[in-house]
Amino acid sequence: RKEVEQDPGPFNVPEGATVAFNCTYSNSASQSFFWYRQDCRKEPKLLMSVYSSGNEDGRFTAQLNRASQYISLLIRDSKLSDSATYLCVVNGADSWGKFQFGAGTQVVVTP
Amino acid sequence: GAVVSQHPSRVICKSGTSVKIECRSLDFQATTMFWYRQFPKQSLMLMATSNEGSKATYEQGVEKDKFLINHASLTLSTLTVTSAHPEDSSFYICSARTSQTQYFGPGTRLLVL
Repeated sequence: RKEVEQDPGPFNVPEGATVAFNCTYSNSASQSFFWYRQDCRKEPKLLMSVYSSGNEDGRFTAQLNRASQYISLLIRDSKLSDSATYLCVVNGADSWGKFQFGAGTQVVVTP
Repeated sequence: GAVVSQHPSRVICKSGTSVKIECRSLDFQATTMFWYRQFPKQSLMLMATSNEGSKATYEQGVEKDKFLINHASLTLSTLTVTSAHPEDSSFYICSARTSQTQYFGPGTRLLVL
């Protein structure tokens, strides 16, 4: 079983709509969680950290469910520029900074 | 966020040659840097952890004699792909660790002919 699993998508979303997707992780001792965004043929860029109480950054909302070991990302009022692959990243419990990456969820926002 | 640069951005080389990739943290000091490889439509795979002033720690299945890592200063780590073969063609990305997270360099596309 992979340490971090994501639905690869693609999620085809009309502009202005809301899209949400999850990521599950296997190590219950994981400490830190992040969402990164990766555009085609580019490096990943930090989108937001995920906090235990859930957090929001503009149109993006992240949630953490430790009991079920998943994190989620919700994008409201989708823009064409939101089209990208969203990587779920979990920081290892035994060695800080050793990230485990999901394979990514592709989001395609259409006009 | 913090800025990490990588050079070169792309390189094409002949099979059997060696290629050096540089990773620099531009506005902060990074005692730890990471080297990843990403094949098309796949997730980033950690190759090794580069620690300033000490030997790199390689992930299982990554040949340390083939992928030489040097982290000589707090702002520079280098990855040298020795005797490159076509199967080494990939997107190589470095990242530098801060106390909060990791910031990635823009990546290096390596094509071995």
